[in-house]
Amino acid sequence: AQSVSQHNHHVILSEAASLELGCNYSYGGTVNLFWYVQYPGQHLQLLLKYFSGDPLVKGIKGFEAEFIKSKFSFNLRKPSVQWSDTAEYFCAVLLRGGGNKLTFGTGTQLKVEL
Amino acid sequence: DTGVSQDPRHKITKRGQNVTFRCDPISEHNRLYWYRQTLGQGPEFLTYFQNEAQLEKSRLLSDRFSAERPKGSFSTLEIQRTEQGDSAMYLCASSPGRATYNEQFFGPGTRLTVL
Repeated sequence: AQSVSQHNHHVILSEAASLELGCNYSYGGTVNLFWYVQYPGQHLQLLLKYFSGDPLVKGIKGFEAEFIKSKFSFNLRKPSVQWSDTAEYFCAVLLRGGGNKLTFGTGTQLKVEL
Repeated sequence: DTGVSQDPRHKITKRGQNVTFRCDPISEHNRLYWYRQTLGQGPEFLTYFQNEAQLEKSRLLSDRFSAERPKGSFSTLEIQRTEQGDSAMYLCASSPGRATYNEQFFGPGTRLTVL
């Protein structure tokens, strides 16, 4: 079955530490890839997206993600996290030609400590 | 605020009752989506509209669930004979619908609690 896996369910970091959140998917076709973020008490917001072209995409707030097709991965990175990055992060995949539904991973709860 | 809006934000009901949620998408977005999110999980797709046409339904959408978008603007999601397992956050999203713009914009959700 098609699925999206986020292996880190809870991550705790100190401010200024580097972040990498893993995302793997199991689709055989062409995909669009997304990272969404949900800050405490807020709704889901798009962090960044990959449709085609340069596999290294940059998003808001200093986040970036790299699409590695051979590994079916789209990992999220940030060189130096801030306390305000405390949130839940969701990876999502849209299979082109497979309807318009997003398939989400289970999410990673990130806590950044001062 | 020009984002996706949902009403109500919270709903508590007793098992067996019917509930209806409303979603107002971003103006001029012709695609509208419903998702359900339970604790510890990511959102799961329920159904999707392009204008007023319901184009896809998940197998999660049992016959107790019905969604409409009568004029291609707002949408309603009704759950009949609610069960405790229906307790979840119901999310609505919209997108412009152009092929290269598959980004979906999410609303704040309606949290349903079935007692």
